[in-house]
Amino acid sequence: NAGVTQTPKFQVLKTGQSMTLQCAQDMNHNSMYWYRQDPGMGLRLIYYSASEGTTDKGEVPNGYNVSRLNKREFSLRLESAAPSQTSVYFCASSETGTLNEKLFFGSGTQLSVL
Amino acid sequence: AQKVTQAQTEISVVEKEDVTLDCVYETRDTTYYLFWYKQPPSGELVFLIRRNSFDEQNEISGRYSWNFQKSTSSFNFTITASQVVDSAVYFCALKGVEKLTFGTGTRLTIIP
Repeated sequence: NAGVTQTPKFQVLKTGQSMTLQCAQDMNHNSMYWYRQDPGMGLRLIYYSASEGTTDKGEVPNGYNVSRLNKREFSLRLESAAPSQTSVYFCASSETGTLNEKLFFGSGTQLSVL
Repeated sequence: AQKVTQAQTEISVVEKEDVTLDCVYETRDTTYYLFWYKQPPSGELVFLIRRNSFDEQNEISGRYSWNFQKSTSSFNFTITASQVVDSAVYFCALKGVEKLTFGTGTRLTIIP
């Protein structure tokens, strides 16, 4: 079972370039999330989508946009990359987004912005 | 606002030793859930356990055990007879009314 699939695994950008991180899940989950992981800061929520057709800001949304293309796919776009966006990005999904649910994570995208 | 503190940034123990990872949380919610996730060197976070705020029973799963104490707002994780495969970063997390909040993680290294 694939679970949550993220692409690409690694990416190097120059300041000002744009790119889209792709995420797809095959578990028929309603909710999807984008997190970033930085040293000493744990995981911080960028955006989430509680269900198809809805998206909401998380803790650190500035500089990012998202699209919930359909129930399976949730993409994260950096319109004009900045060095502060160098991080490891994780996509995750959960069945309904309720209080007690565990998250299923992708394997991450390591992004460097020069 | 809710908060999760994992004061231990890095821990190293020799294989077969027991090790406890600490997690202290803050929340004003009366109903909440606590989680532990494991991030092995491959990078993908893996769910380990979930505990709700009304259930203070300790839980044991093989070499893993969890001690939840509301009186001290702690949800500590103990690995007994550690193995090299336990080497990973471990995250504690809290979910109340707000979205899931992660601690900063503890990097555990098991020395052969």
